[in-house]
Amino acid sequence: NAGVMQNPRHLVRRRGQEARLRCSPMKGHSHVYWYRQLPEEGLKFMVYLQKENIIDESGMPKERFSAEFPKEGPSILRIQQVVRGDSAAYFCASRGAVETQYFGPGTRLLVL
Amino acid sequence: KQEVTQIPAALSVPEGENLVLNCSFTDSAIYNLQWFRQDPGKGLTSLLLIQSSQREQTSGRLNASLDKSSGRSTLYIAASQPGDSATYLCAVVEEVWAAGNKLTFGGGTRVLVKP
Repeated sequence: NAGVMQNPRHLVRRRGQEARLRCSPMKGHSHVYWYRQLPEEGLKFMVYLQKENIIDESGMPKERFSAEFPKEGPSILRIQQVVRGDSAAYFCASRGAVETQYFGPGTRLLVL
Repeated sequence: KQEVTQIPAALSVPEGENLVLNCSFTDSAIYNLQWFRQDPGKGLTSLLLIQSSQREQTSGRLNASLDKSSGRSTLYIAASQPGDSATYLCAVVEEVWAAGNKLTFGGGTRVLVKP
């Protein structure tokens, strides 16, 4: 059973471009979480999704950020018109019926 | 608003010494608390999960205690090894977020075990 997969592992974008981060949860997991780790800061919750539904997006910036978890395929975190302050590590986690969240290796986004 | 604090931010010990990592949280109405390990450039690995009704959990050389009323948890790692060098994070799920299982993280303690 493969773990949580994230791609790309590293992403470089210029200011104003779009960033798309992908997360494939563990097999059988229908709950997906996105967290962000800014340089020298702790992990902060961004959004919680179940298949085709956003359950809690209280940690998402109001503008430029969106997330989806379609019926088929990976969960996508999209950042439009990236700015330097978006540079961070973005982690995805998934879980099944039990509480333990399993984390992916993260995507390191660098905005030039 | 729940705040999770980990002190110290960094810790260096000689191999064989026991490690004691502290975590405190401001709102005692938690559903559970988890300890994670993060290696540089990698994701998080769950070490122990303690339900709010439990006082401690053990796994091998690791033991985590929870004092919910005082808002504290401690992770003990016995007989440390260089392979234990990593950043250790604690995270809580508040009761109000129990259904969604949203984690609130501390800033982490960076541990170096010197051979």
